[in-house]
Amino acid sequence: DAGVTQSPTHLIKTRGQQVTLRCSPISGHKSVSWYQQVLGQGPQFIFQYYEKEERGRGNFPDRFSARQFPNYSSELNVNALLLGDSALYLCASRKTPWGRTGELFFGEGSRLTVL
Amino acid sequence: TQLLEQSPQFLSIQEGENLTVYCNSSSVFSSLQWYRQEPGEGPVLLVTVVTGGEVKKLKRLTFQFGDARKDSSLHITAAQPGDTGLYLCAGDGFAGNTPLVFGKGTRLSVIA
Repeated sequence: DAGVTQSPTHLIKTRGQQVTLRCSPISGHKSVSWYQQVLGQGPQFIFQYYEKEERGRGNFPDRFSARQFPNYSSELNVNALLLGDSALYLCASRKTPWGRTGELFFGEGSRLTVL
Repeated sequence: TQLLEQSPQFLSIQEGENLTVYCNSSSVFSSLQWYRQEPGEGPVLLVTVVTGGEVKKLKRLTFQFGDARKDSSLHITAAQPGDTGLYLCAGDGFAGNTPLVFGKGTRLSVIA
């Protein structure tokens, strides 16, 4: 089975532009989470979706939005990009049902550089 | 907000040495997970500890969950260059709808 896949793997944008990042979870996983990892730091939680509903949101501005589709894939959108948005954006899926502890399976991430 | 503090932040050791990485919080977690991340890749789960005082071993790696479920440690015996990477601890809350909270990580470099 394929793991979590993310696209694009690398991208360069300029300040003020908008970006859309995509994620396909492992087959059968209904939970998708997005994390931002700045160089040298641990992942910071952005969003969590389960069964197409937003179940959690981290401390990020409204420029960040996401959605989950009927096939459980997900998109993360960031508007009005700032230099500080440069980071590795990680998508993770989880097999366990809502409310249960479980392992997060991460994709390789999308590395965004904002110039 | 639940915070996890990891120490040390950076660690550079010679092959064959032992080391311990710490993960501390003032919050109680239902479980704590340890991940390892290599350059260009996403984190990969090493272990999950659930019970206070629990000790789990994974070859040369020993993980311990504190009795109060607020802290954890990772001990590596006879480190090898293949152990090089970013080690992340992550805490899971009790509510079920809380996200996994990560520490800032410990970057380990094992020199041959």
